[in-house]
Amino acid sequence: DVELTQSPVSLPVTLGLPASISCRSNQSLVHREGNTYLSWFQQRPGQSPGRLIHEVSTRDSGVPGRFSGSGSGTDFTLRISRVEADDVAIYYCMQATHWPPTFGQGTKVEIK
Amino acid sequence: EVQLLESGGALVEPGGSLRLSCVASGFVFSNYAMSWVRQVPGKGLKWVSAISGSSTNTYYADSVKGRFTISRDNLKKTLYLEMNTLRAEDAAVYYCARDAPRMSSYGQFDYWGQGTLVAVSS
Repeated sequence: DVELTQSPVSLPVTLGLPASISCRSNQSLVHREGNTYLSWFQQRPGQSPGRLIHEVSTRDSGVPGRFSGSGSGTDFTLRISRVEADDVAIYYCMQATHWPPTFGQGTKVEIK
Repeated sequence: EVQLLESGGALVEPGGSLRLSCVASGFVFSNYAMSWVRQVPGKGLKWVSAISGSSTNTYYADSVKGRFTISRDNLKKTLYLEMNTLRAEDAAVYYCARDAPRMSSYGQFDYWGQGTLVAVSS
């Protein structure tokens, strides 16, 4: 199975400042058809996960513009331009290029 | 509004069986593949099983293959997970998630239910 490694595991952030989470894969996530199936999910405390971004950089409907995704091949990044209190959560990357779909171990974002 | 509502989680002894259900609303259920994803409380997410919209194709994680069976009833808009020979390591919150629309790649997970807790202990 494809391994996704997120860093950092824990990310203390200051309100209003940017934050960045890395997701590295042990294989290229470029599908043979050319798409890259790398998604980001947010799981707030006590809630189920919700998808923020799919195919590296496409924001889901209703996701604030302060969230953005980038990357290619094996290296991907989720950025929050200005962290708000509502962003406290665990963030997971997930790949669906290779079967089975696999998730990173998660990054916990908390306010300093 | 898309909604997924799981039920069926319970405390079961090792070796026991359980059937989870997930009732869907707010979208054309038969047009979408569906998946089950589980999460040990306080730990990460792991995909468990998927089924195509017409039930033609089913897929399982190696850890549950031969013990779990995914199925669906499109008339009832309900997804199921039959879990047999349960082990302590199967204990988790089980989420159903909407997966791919027809002709799209699996692993979409664009909507999730609230989860149902399965505990395995004697």
